[in-house]
Amino acid sequence: GQNIDQPTEMTATEGAIVQINCTYQTSGFNGLFWYQQHAGEAPTFLSYNVLDGLEEKGRFSSFLSRSKGYSYLLLKELQMKDSASYLCAVKGGSYIPTFGRGTSLIVHP
Amino acid sequence: DTEVTQTPKHLVMGMTNKKSLKCEQHMGHRAMYWYKQKAKKPPELMFVYSYEKLSINESVPSRFSPECPNSSLLNLHLHALQPEDSALYLCASSQEPTNYEQYFGPGTRLTVT
Repeated sequence: GQNIDQPTEMTATEGAIVQINCTYQTSGFNGLFWYQQHAGEAPTFLSYNVLDGLEEKGRFSSFLSRSKGYSYLLLKELQMKDSASYLCAVKGGSYIPTFGRGTSLIVHP
Repeated sequence: DTEVTQTPKHLVMGMTNKKSLKCEQHMGHRAMYWYKQKAKKPPELMFVYSYEKLSINESVPSRFSPECPNSSLLNLHLHALQPEDSALYLCASSQEPTNYEQYFGPGTRLTVT
């Protein structure tokens, strides 16, 4: 089976940096994805990691350590519109993604 | 065209009704998915179609019946649903059913009365 763990909720201030962690236990590993989901909307793809290291894409970066079963999503220069749920999804041996419960990020002025 | 479309956006149906949800993509993706999402919960995988063939059915009750008429279309036929089936139904597609990101449609908000 697969187990994915991420914090339920985080708060941060506009302009700050926030790191959202995700730990996982899977049988097999074929990649880790981060998605952003605003309330009532569909998830949108943010990043994909399959090798260890940091992937940077604008204000968002994602890090992966396969040996530790650990990833984080780093959001810089936070904006109010970044308030959303951030979903960590892992593809195990079956190539089918399993989603974590999501981290609700609240950005304050 | 990098979009997955879903119709209808909202659907209210009684427990004896038969209805269908539709999903369409024109990105040439060969894998399509149905997810169910309850409020404040992650998406739960229901079905996966790979190259127009059903490859995964996550023990979904038979009152949900998927259909893939062609590589661009995915339907979900609904019959005799229960109130607890009320949820957001998301369709997604990916280039291949392996190491590619999924593109999600806007979802159909289903309410069963």
